[in-house]
Amino acid sequence: DAGVIQSPRHEVTEMGQEVTLRCKPISGHDYLFWYRQTMMRGLELLIYFNNNVPIDDSGMPEDRFSAKMPNASFSTLKIQPSEPRDSAVYFCASSPSARSQYFGPGTRLTVL
Amino acid sequence: RKEVEQDPGPFNVPEGATVAFNCTYSNSASQSFFWYRQDCRKEPKLLMSVYSSGNEDGRFTAQLNRASQYISLLIRDSKLSDSATYLCAGGASGGSYIPTFGRGTSLIVHP
Repeated sequence: DAGVIQSPRHEVTEMGQEVTLRCKPISGHDYLFWYRQTMMRGLELLIYFNNNVPIDDSGMPEDRFSAKMPNASFSTLKIQPSEPRDSAVYFCASSPSARSQYFGPGTRLTVL
Repeated sequence: RKEVEQDPGPFNVPEGATVAFNCTYSNSASQSFFWYRQDCRKEPKLLMSVYSSGNEDGRFTAQLNRASQYISLLIRDSKLSDSATYLCAGGASGGSYIPTFGRGTSLIVHP
């Protein structure tokens, strides 16, 4: 299996621009998670889906963040407008059981 | 108080040493616990689950102490390649059993 696939791997943008991060989970995994990792806050859960349905988005920082999962093989995390404090590594992970998770390689986002 | 806490380290040990990390959790109802390994600028990778009776995988041993609410990871005969950050995950979020992660413990194994 190819594992979790994320794109882009690196993104540099300017404050105020829209950013879209993409994720393809492992086939057959019913759960998909979006995390953000920074030195200051560690690894934070933003939102997770079960069978394409958002279950818990309490970790989403504010209305500028949105996530969708239109089908079992694709999810997006969008930030609009982006701010410098959004700079972080964003990981997508999938899981068959909601407990142990398989992470993608991450998207390193820099907002100038 | 964070739900899952770890000593950030770094733990600096020579090759061949035995090293142990602890991770405390605050939610006594927690059900699932894991150790992940994260190399520099890489994604976390599942190292092992932690079972109530304790479990071993080669040089790695994980244990759970429910009374004191901590999990531990013991690494025997440390290798240079064990240098990484070790994240524990556990607890429950709103009863959904989705684990939350600690900040990680950095291990440096030197020759």
